[in-house]
Amino acid sequence: SQQGEEDPQALSIQEGENATMNCSYKTSINNLQWYRQNSGRGLVHLILIRSNEREKHSGRLRVTLDTSKKSSSLLITASRAADTASYFCATPPKAAGNKLTFGGGTRVLVKP
Amino acid sequence: DTAVSQTPKYLVTQMGNDKSIKCEQNLGHDTMYWYKQDSKKFLKIMFSYNNKELIINETVPNRFSPKSPDKAHLNLHINSLELGDSAVYFCASSLFGENYGYTFGSGTRLTVV
Repeated sequence: SQQGEEDPQALSIQEGENATMNCSYKTSINNLQWYRQNSGRGLVHLILIRSNEREKHSGRLRVTLDTSKKSSSLLITASRAADTASYFCATPPKAAGNKLTFGGGTRVLVKP
Repeated sequence: DTAVSQTPKYLVTQMGNDKSIKCEQNLGHDTMYWYKQDSKKFLKIMFSYNNKELIINETVPNRFSPKSPDKAHLNLHINSLELGDSAVYFCASSLFGENYGYTFGSGTRLTVV
């Protein structure tokens, strides 16, 4: 089974709206990472939040982490058509070293 | 300048054939990975090498054999290809350690017919 699971599986919004997606994981972690995958392309690293951080920002992205609930959220503000992609959370479970385990992704469609 | 480059981008081959996928990174990273993404977009790690040494070897059929001639290259050889091997294979690299993100290649779409 996947370490991380994203919710919802798919999301459709209008340009300019905010998009929020959530990730739940099972085991203790050192950090949680979010990646974006455009159709037919590789994954692009967006942001890494460490286990002792609660919130992190990068441009229009805001990530929160709640280790007590083993969950994270990714908020994309003022979405653009170019934000259309799949978004994955990934965690390196403690004692798993460098091994990143990915969730199944949230497919986001931003309509112009 | 491509950071992580994989070749070929597309590979169509018949069942039973043997094929290789190559990966190279110019980021100075010391750790490289192979991931498999299935048709439902689930990504699963297959192998990881750190400084040419195998450090992660998930439950993968032994028809799959990785080779790392140096820390900038990680190749994947697949023997006796099966229909179920059809997927997108991604190479990635990172620095070794728990708080580093990965840089991914653009993937190799393998179709076995």
